[in-house]
Amino acid sequence: NAGVTQTPKFQVLKTGQSMTLQCAQDMNHNSMYWYRQDPGMGLRLIYYSASEGTTDKGEVPNGYNVSRLNKREFSLRLESAAPSQTSVYFCASSEADGYTFGSGTRLTVV
Amino acid sequence: KQEVTQIPAALSVPEGENLVLNCSFTDSAIYNLQWFRQDPGKGLTSLLLIQSSQREQTSGRLNASLDKSSGRSTLYIAASQPGDSATYLCAVRSLAGTASKLTFGTGTRLQVTL
Repeated sequence: NAGVTQTPKFQVLKTGQSMTLQCAQDMNHNSMYWYRQDPGMGLRLIYYSASEGTTDKGEVPNGYNVSRLNKREFSLRLESAAPSQTSVYFCASSEADGYTFGSGTRLTVV
Repeated sequence: KQEVTQIPAALSVPEGENLVLNCSFTDSAIYNLQWFRQDPGKGLTSLLLIQSSQREQTSGRLNASLDKSSGRSTLYIAASQPGDSATYLCAVRSLAGTASKLTFGTGTRLQVTL
């Protein structure tokens, strides 16, 4: 089925470790997004990419970097993980017909 | 800055009841509004998308309305079923164009009991 695929689904990191969350979409959407979801906070935008080759900060970008590798792929990198980055991360893509979300990555930083 | 509020935060109803979930937003200059469903530990599933020029959208037992001028949307669920138990999220898209971003409410957690 067409959609947004995220890997990995679960990850445990130690404080200070780095990792990259991968996201790919096969709907030929131009725009892609990374959100984090925390209890009582809703979903908050970390970074987004309006089109291949462009990226912009969202509401909570500190501690993260992104790469729009091509039109399909948009990765999120944590250079030095902190316990405050424990969260569920969602990737999404969009066109005028609305957003499609991946199934999420549950990240725990200990 | 756009702010989205959903009331109530949690709701429990017996099976078969009709119910309404509310969403309000502070900036009426929206492009569209989308309702999502999220099951525990899962991702978001899009339910209904209402463009700013539309008043409502329907899909099966679901009906979403939009009153842009008053900054409100409602999601009506008819003849609720235990399988409807989930968290329902409202999200507003504030700018035209594909680069625009969604602002989410914190959701309404619905439980439909037997």
